[in-house]
Amino acid sequence: NAGVTQTPKFQVLKTGQSMTLQCAQDMNHEYMSWYRQDPGMGLRLIHYSVGAGITDQGEVPNGYNVSRSTTEDFPLRLLSAAPSQTSVYFCASSYGTSGGNEQFFGPGTRLTVL
Amino acid sequence: GENVEQHPSTLSVQEGDSAVIKCTYSDSASNYFPWYKQELGKRPQLIIDIRSNVGEKKDQRIAVTLNKTAKHFSLHITETQPEDSAVYFCAAPSGGSNYKLTFGKGTLLTVNP
Repeated sequence: NAGVTQTPKFQVLKTGQSMTLQCAQDMNHEYMSWYRQDPGMGLRLIHYSVGAGITDQGEVPNGYNVSRSTTEDFPLRLLSAAPSQTSVYFCASSYGTSGGNEQFFGPGTRLTVL
Repeated sequence: GENVEQHPSTLSVQEGDSAVIKCTYSDSASNYFPWYKQELGKRPQLIIDIRSNVGEKKDQRIAVTLNKTAKHFSLHITETQPEDSAVYFCAAPSGGSNYKLTFGKGTLLTVNP
């Protein structure tokens, strides 16, 4: 199993550009989520999904969109990039939505917005 | 929503000493508390978790204790080694679910040889 994969690993954008961060998992996990990690701020939840066709907002959703058309994929879209979105983005997945389960993280995408 | 406070933000110990990291949470309904370790440039990985029906859990040199009355839980690392150097995050469930986690801001642990 590849686990949780993310592409690209690095990306530089100009202010106002849009892009999609890709996330995929091959573990048949129901729950998927996106976090951003900034220095001294920990991991903050952007959006999450409890299954195909179901998404919801996390703590910091503004400026981001998500969709979940399949169990495997959970892309994160930046609509109009801003310097404040410079961060490291992690996708994570876990089995089931009842009871505490380990969240498996992808390798991350380092995004710089100029 | 859930509020998770983590202390200290940095911790430096000598190899072989013990390290303790503490977290508090606000939602009394929370019942699952994981700890993640993130090495420099790597992804966070689960190292231990505890559920509210137990007060302590051990895994070799790592242990976690939970005090539900006081709403705090702690990570204990004994006989620290240089490879324990990393950022450690605690987390607690938010919004009444056990899958949606709120993370603490992290503790940078440095183990000096």
